[in-house]
Amino acid sequence: SAVISQKPSRDICQRGTSLTIQCQVDSQVTMMFWYRQQPGQSLTLIATANQGSEATYESGFVIDKFPISRPNLTFSTLTVSNLSPEDSSIYLCSGGQGAYEQYFGPGTRLTVT
Amino acid sequence: LAKTTQPISMDSYEGQEVNITCSHNNIATNDYITWYQQFPSQGPRFIIQGYKTKVTNEVASLFIPADRKSSTLSLPRVSLSDTAVYYCLVGSNDYKLSFGAGTTVTVRA
Repeated sequence: SAVISQKPSRDICQRGTSLTIQCQVDSQVTMMFWYRQQPGQSLTLIATANQGSEATYESGFVIDKFPISRPNLTFSTLTVSNLSPEDSSIYLCSGGQGAYEQYFGPGTRLTVT
Repeated sequence: LAKTTQPISMDSYEGQEVNITCSHNNIATNDYITWYQQFPSQGPRFIIQGYKTKVTNEVASLFIPADRKSSTLSLPRVSLSDTAVYYCLVGSNDYKLSFGAGTTVTVRA
């Protein structure tokens, strides 16, 4: 198993600014993913964070808005840029050796004012 | 990715067995079936995974018929703490996970 931590746990940001979320895994993992979840709704995959290469983004998500870094096998960051109220959501990262068994962080609750 | 269909919600009482069926008619040969549980304000937690027939662990059982077009997650003797959203996912291990709407299970005393 793996334990995933995220920082910050929550933040309130002003429109037009950016927020960088950190995701730390307590062991090396092959795959890392970033998700967005609106309260009461399911998870939407933003991108797959690949170690040593650019992230792979899902339809509707672009690198300019959601730049991702993955410098090693235990760490990744997601930046949400040029914030608008529509970006208010919970952002989760996950990691694992394969897609089947992913371990999730507790999430970062972002509110944009 | 195979599309999955599961009930939106289910109600149960403490001590009962809860069975959640997920339909995945276009499952591919190399796809596995995985179930996750999510409590409010937490990330999803892996419950169980299977390919065919039956898989059992300390938390749940997963029943998969021969045609693999559906699967049933069985939670034995549920308690109030099993109240959560349960997600059925289908995919290959080197691919991404796609979460559907999930099933909200409410356990009452």
